[in-house]
Amino acid sequence: EGQLVETGGGLIQPGGSLRLSCAASGFIVSSYYMTWVRQAPGKGLEWVSGLYSSGDTKYADSVRGRFTISRDTSKNTVYLQMNSLRGEDTALYFCVSSTGDPGAFDIWGHGATVTVSS
Amino acid sequence: DIQMTQSPSTLSASVGDRVTITCRASQTITMLAWYQQKPGTAPNLLIYTASILQSGVPSRFSGSGSGTEFTLTISSLQPEDFATYYCQQYSSLFPTFGQGTKVEIK
Repeated sequence: EGQLVETGGGLIQPGGSLRLSCAASGFIVSSYYMTWVRQAPGKGLEWVSGLYSSGDTKYADSVRGRFTISRDTSKNTVYLQMNSLRGEDTALYFCVSSTGDPGAFDIWGHGATVTVSS
Repeated sequence: DIQMTQSPSTLSASVGDRVTITCRASQTITMLAWYQQKPGTAPNLLIYTASILQSGVPSRFSGSGSGTEFTLTISSLQPEDFATYYCQQYSSLFPTFGQGTKVEIK
C-alpha cells in the first residue's frame, strides 16, 4: 500500500518562503494526481494545489502566484514551494494522492505544520 | 468555485443510532467523496463517486444522492465512528470540501 511522508514544515516569518517535500513509497507519483490540502488550526479542509500526471498544475485562488507544486520523478517526491507567506497560511499541510478514482483522495500523509508568525 | 454545505454542523448520537449527514452543492455535480477525520490524524476516504464504498470501509457506511444533494448514512453508529465527516466535490478542476460535521457522543 502506498505511503506519503511530508517534511519541511516549521515556523516562518510573514513574507518568508518554505518548501514542503512529500516522499512517496509504494506507487509512482508521476502516474497519479497529487495534491496538497491544508487545515488551519481548528478548521476544515482546504484544497491548495494539484499536479496531474500530465504535468498540468492547478492552484486555489488563495495561493495562486505564491505557491508552486512540482515533482522530482527520480526521487518519487512532490514539492510545495511557498513564497510570500502570510498568517492565514498557517496550517497543517497534507500531501494527498488519488491512486484510485481520479479526484477522490485515497492516500494521505500525516501532515507538515507550517506556522507563519513574527 | 463550487460551494459545499453540510448539515448539521454538529450531531449528537448514541451507539447503535442511525445517523445521516447531508451535503449540498451550489451547482450540479457528479463526483462526490466522503471522508472521516479523527483528532490528530489525517482524513480517511470512506466513499467516492457518491455511493461507492472504499475498500476496507465497514458496510455500515453508505452514500447516496445526485445533482446537488447527497447524504452519508451510518446505519448503526459504533464507538469508533465518533469523528468529523467531510464531503468533497471533485467534479470541478478545483476541488472543494464541506465545512465538516462533528459526530459527538450523546
